[in-house]
Amino acid sequence: NAGVTQTPKFRILKIGQSMTLQCTQDMNHNYMYWYRQDPGMGLKLIYYSVGAGITDKGEVPNGYNVSRSTTEDFPLRLELAAPSQTSVYFCASSSEGDTQYFGPGTRLTVL
Amino acid sequence: GIQVEQSPPDLILQEGANSTLRCNFSDSVNNLQWFHQNPWGQLINLFYIPSGTKQNGRLSATTVATERYSLLYISSSQTTDSGVYFCAVPSLMGSASKIIFGSGTRLSIRP
Repeated sequence: NAGVTQTPKFRILKIGQSMTLQCTQDMNHNYMYWYRQDPGMGLKLIYYSVGAGITDKGEVPNGYNVSRSTTEDFPLRLELAAPSQTSVYFCASSSEGDTQYFGPGTRLTVL
Repeated sequence: GIQVEQSPPDLILQEGANSTLRCNFSDSVNNLQWFHQNPWGQLINLFYIPSGTKQNGRLSATTVATERYSLLYISSSQTTDSGVYFCAVPSLMGSASKIIFGSGTRLSIRP
């Protein structure tokens, strides 16, 4: 039982490039989330999903897209990367009415 | 939307001391979570505590939903307790999905 896994662990992008952050969970959780954490700050919700085929925006969705074609996977797409997207990205999953379990994070730098 | 405030923002203690961290929220909630982010960035769920008191070893948490606050107690602190402690609540009453994090309390335990 690996829990929540994220790839890559680190990435450096140039301005305008695109990339997909991968997130997979093996706990059969319906709920999945993407957060970003800027240095010294708390976590801000980017997008979340309550099940395969269902996604919705969080607090800071601009510049990102998501999809949820399976229960296990919830990739986050960055289009036209900007320096403001430099952050640590966390994926999490949960069952309804239960706590969230977090992945190890992806540290992204946009130069 | 709901506001979440944590206090104190920073806390420095000697090993063996006890501490109390506070989380205030501006609206009714039906769940509340406490997380610990260790110095390596890993987020660990501590408690899922919509009301009442829970204990896990040296840590315990109490949520008084009617007065809109939760407390996290750490007894006999160890250096491994260092890190940032976050509380998180749903942004909408009844929602299990849109979770809002406080800005955290940074705890440093000195040997």
